[in-house]
Amino acid sequence: KAGVTQTPRYLIKTRGQQVTLSCSPISGHRSVSWYQQTPGQGLQFLFEYFSETQRNKGNFPGRFSGRQFSNSRSEMNVSTLELGDSALYLCASSLALLTDTQYFGPGTRLTVL
Amino acid sequence: KQEVTQIPAALSVPEGENLVLNCSFTDSAIYNLQWFRQDPGKGLTSLLLIQSSQREQTSGRLNASLDKSSGRSTLYIAASQPGDSATYLCAVTETSYDKVIFGPGTSLSVIP
Repeated sequence: KAGVTQTPRYLIKTRGQQVTLSCSPISGHRSVSWYQQTPGQGLQFLFEYFSETQRNKGNFPGRFSGRQFSNSRSEMNVSTLELGDSALYLCASSLALLTDTQYFGPGTRLTVL
Repeated sequence: KQEVTQIPAALSVPEGENLVLNCSFTDSAIYNLQWFRQDPGKGLTSLLLIQSSQREQTSGRLNASLDKSSGRSTLYIAASQPGDSATYLCAVTETSYDKVIFGPGTSLSVIP
């Protein structure tokens, strides 16, 4: 069974631009969560989607948004990029609930110049 | 506000040694606690998940315990190997806001 895939693996953007990251969950998984990982703040929860609906949200500004499609694939968008948005963005999928075992993708490394 | 801490921040041990990693959380209102490992520049691999009603889980050389009342979990690694070198993170799923809160991690180095 294929694991969680994320594209692209690496991105370089400049301040003010926007970016879209993609996540394909494990087949049959309906919950997708997104996380931001930085050396200073560690791993922080961004949001969780289930059946195309955002079910939970962390403490991030509105510049961070996401969506989920009917096939459970998810995208995350960051608008008006800031230097502090440079991070490893990880997505995780689980069967149905946030409380189920989460399986992580390899991440997208975003660098904002 | 839920806070998760991990002690120690870094640990270096000789191969073959048994070791314990610690995780503490401030709010006992959790659904579960998970232990993950992360290799440099990579995503996370789930090691063990302990439901709030459970006291421990075992997988191979790994054993994780949970004491919800005291807000503590330990990950015990038996007979450590160089391949165990990684950062180990614990995470709790809190019931109040349905969020997953991660600890800062323990960086483990097993010396051959």
